[in-house]
Amino acid sequence: NSVTQMEGPVTLSEEAFLTINCTYTATGYPSLFWYVQYPGEGLQLLLKATKADDKGSNKGFEATYRKETTSFHLEKGSVQVSDSAVYFCALSDPPIGGSYIPTFGRGTSLIVHP
Amino acid sequence: AAGVIQSPRHLIKEKRETATLKCYPIPRHDTVYWYQQGPGQDPQFLISFYEKMQSDKGSIPDRFSAQQFSDYHSELNMSSLELGDSALYFCASSLRRTTNTGELFFGEGSRLTVL
Repeated sequence: NSVTQMEGPVTLSEEAFLTINCTYTATGYPSLFWYVQYPGEGLQLLLKATKADDKGSNKGFEATYRKETTSFHLEKGSVQVSDSAVYFCALSDPPIGGSYIPTFGRGTSLIVHP
Repeated sequence: AAGVIQSPRHLIKEKRETATLKCYPIPRHDTVYWYQQGPGQDPQFLISFYEKMQSDKGSIPDRFSAQQFSDYHSELNMSSLELGDSALYFCASSLRRTTNTGELFFGEGSRLTVL
């Protein structure tokens, strides 16, 4: 399993449109996640989708599980300075015994200027 | 709501020394995970525990060991520290029977610096 994210940093002005690309390779039918890491904090789940064509959404962010393109791009229509953080795309395959072990991408830093 | 607690938040050690990190999961969570995040890197899975037994093992060096105690807290022990061990170490917890989609709850991390 692997996750590939666009490299950052992504620098935007406030109210700009955001897209952070994420593609994955996996066996089976994984669940897909976006986690966000604010400065000095741990990762927090932002949104998730568990099957093809599902759309996860939270705090104005959205991502659609596209099985045909193996993608889960993160979008937001109008970013705010407070959205500045590192965003991690992750996947989790159903386990064959054992626990779910999410695989993370490298993270994309977002910097939003006033 | 209670979150995952990690200690210490910051730790500075010399090469070849030993370090111990602690993690207190969210109450009633039965699974604990340890991740290592190097500078500019994605979090790498080290090891996990379910009901105090080792569950899965990732890229954990032989110099590292971990265990989960009867109160469900976990400790990551790192010996013969190397410069390359400098990283942010995250602990995460989950409740396995409801984690059928793999969502983890992370602590704020322990930053280890090896000089």
